[in-house]
Amino acid sequence: DGGITQSPKYLFRKEGQNVTLSCEQNLNHDAMYWYRQDPGQGLRLIYYSQIVNDFQKGDIAEGYSVSREKKESFPLTVTSAQKNPTAFYLCASSMIAGGHHEQFFGPGTRLTVL
Amino acid sequence: GQNIDQPTEMTATEGAIVQINCTYQTSGFNGLFWYQQHAGEAPTFLSYNVLDGLEEKGRFSSFLSRSKGYSYLLLKELQMKDSASYLCAVRQDQTGANNLFFGTGTRLTVIP
Repeated sequence: DGGITQSPKYLFRKEGQNVTLSCEQNLNHDAMYWYRQDPGQGLRLIYYSQIVNDFQKGDIAEGYSVSREKKESFPLTVTSAQKNPTAFYLCASSMIAGGHHEQFFGPGTRLTVL
Repeated sequence: GQNIDQPTEMTATEGAIVQINCTYQTSGFNGLFWYQQHAGEAPTFLSYNVLDGLEEKGRFSSFLSRSKGYSYLLLKELQMKDSASYLCAVRQDQTGANNLFFGTGTRLTVIP
């Protein structure tokens, strides 16, 4: 079945450690996105990519890094420079050419930094 | 600045109708999306409006007025499973990017 997957579902890390969140899609979508969701706040865009080997900063990119070496994959690294990394992280993908295209979301990764 | 306003919480009775409002002030407009999100799960797409008027899809309808910067999501014949957060999101870019700017969401509780 086509879809978008994120792993792991729950992740615990010690303060000061970098951690990488996985996002894979087999929908043949061009664009991929990373969002962060905190209680009482909307989804905030961290990074996005419209094509392989290219990505752009979103509204809250500081302390995060990404890569897009394959169309199917868009991993997010939460670095030690991110001051408040504990959050629910959502990955999404969409087509971008021609007409409206909703974003499809993965199941999310809940990161807790101890 | 950019802003999307939605009520934080709403409560409605099973079988009833509820309207969730969304007002927006954004630097551009190229469509408005509604998503449903159950607690701890991924948002799922409900509806899309880019022109003024009403879009109906089963028990769910969505309305847009671009001149007023206003949309609503109408849920009919409420069921217990409709208890969830409803997210309003605006696509701003008209150059081809598909980025969305999200509101904080409205948490709907359906009671028996």
